[in-house]
Amino acid sequence: AQTVTQSQPEMSVQEAETVTLSCTYDTSENNYYLFWYKQPPSRQMILVIRQEAYKQQNATENRFSVNFQKAAKSFSLKISDSQLGDTAMYFCAFMRSGNEKLTFGTGTRLTIIP
Amino acid sequence: AAGVIQSPRHLIKEKRETATLKCYPIPRHDTVYWYQQGPGQDPQFLISFYEKMQSDKGSIPDRFSAQQFSDYHSELNMSSLELGDSALYFCASRIQPGQVVPYNEQFFGPGTRLTVL
Repeated sequence: AQTVTQSQPEMSVQEAETVTLSCTYDTSENNYYLFWYKQPPSRQMILVIRQEAYKQQNATENRFSVNFQKAAKSFSLKISDSQLGDTAMYFCAFMRSGNEKLTFGTGTRLTIIP
Repeated sequence: AAGVIQSPRHLIKEKRETATLKCYPIPRHDTVYWYQQGPGQDPQFLISFYEKMQSDKGSIPDRFSAQQFSDYHSELNMSSLELGDSALYFCASRIQPGQVVPYNEQFFGPGTRLTVL
């Protein structure tokens, strides 16, 4: 079974600063996908960024980027130029290729301070 | 663009009652997933359906059952409700990779908040 660990229950950062959220996972699989989901106070689950394990290049989506270290089983999320709207719970998630259920970490509550 | 629709958005039930949650996937999506998110917890996978057949099963209690219908909508039936069933229930849908999107992405609905009193 796969496990996903987020060791930072809460983080806060000043607006416009950069913040990095950590995620580690444990799997014996070689083909899988990793995701970061954002859950704002509305509780809607919003996909922020995804990474295919077979790709060495780190994924980037505007102000969001990841540092994917496959050997270390690490998948951190960097938010640059943080904005007030980034305040949310962030979940790291794992999906094994061919088995499509998502396994989530326990989440990191991020607060952007004006 | 059309999104995943869940109904009702809020539901209040008494202990030992039954509840039915509905999920309408994005058009052309053939796979539906159900997740349960308890207060302050991460979402936990319950069950999934592909082309109206159960494709995977997680930590779903025996008191719960689900199915996917010919129009691809899905219903989660919950009986003998317990206080611990109070949670946010998400439905997510997906289309098989390669047809429209080349990767595995699940699109989440807004969730149904179930409160058991």
